[in-house]
Amino acid sequence: EPEVTQTPSHQVTQMGQEVILRCVPISNHLYFYWYRQILGQKVEFLVSFYNNEISEKSEIFDDQFSVERPDGSNFTLKIRSTKLEDSAMYFCASSEASRLNEQYFGPGTRLTVT
Amino acid sequence: ELKVEQNPLFLSMQEGKNYTIYCNYSTTSDRLYWYRQDPGKSLESLFVLLSNGAVKQEGRLMASLDTKARLSTLHITAAVHDLSATYFCAGGDDKIIFGKGTRLHILP
Repeated sequence: EPEVTQTPSHQVTQMGQEVILRCVPISNHLYFYWYRQILGQKVEFLVSFYNNEISEKSEIFDDQFSVERPDGSNFTLKIRSTKLEDSAMYFCASSEASRLNEQYFGPGTRLTVT
Repeated sequence: ELKVEQNPLFLSMQEGKNYTIYCNYSTTSDRLYWYRQDPGKSLESLFVLLSNGAVKQEGRLMASLDTKARLSTLHITAAVHDLSATYFCAGGDDKIIFGKGTRLHILP
């Protein structure tokens, strides 16, 4: 069964460093999302992406964040200068042809900023 | 914007008992989701509810949706230890808005 994959599973970085989190959505999916979950808290929407552009972003997704689909398969989330409060689990999700289709979540990348 | 409220946020129950988790949401949503999350793991989709009166069952879990009351419930029948996890209710047409989750702990 096709699934969303994410790498790395765990990333440790120092405050102020740039990180890139990678996702490979399900191959025929057209809508892509990033969510984050601070430890012990709820899952929060960050950004949605369709047709090579951001369709919606939350207040959390400030100028330090960017997303890209650099090739036909990867979908990346970049944090330019990490802060301690960026420590969280980051989930990628994708959905099929319509934004009303169910989203499938990847296993997550745990980001630890020290 | 859609707001999703779950209760209770923490539930400790004995094996074999029944219980219900409630999910209220603030505005109309084309769909209502229930997810399960084990500690340190990803989100496992349990149910997607699309219409008023929808009821779905999988094993000991049953989810229902009342769009007029803006209420969804997740009912657990004869709980077993393996159902211990955090359960999230969520809604939304494009971006998904999650509730805070209900941490369910089932005691043997």
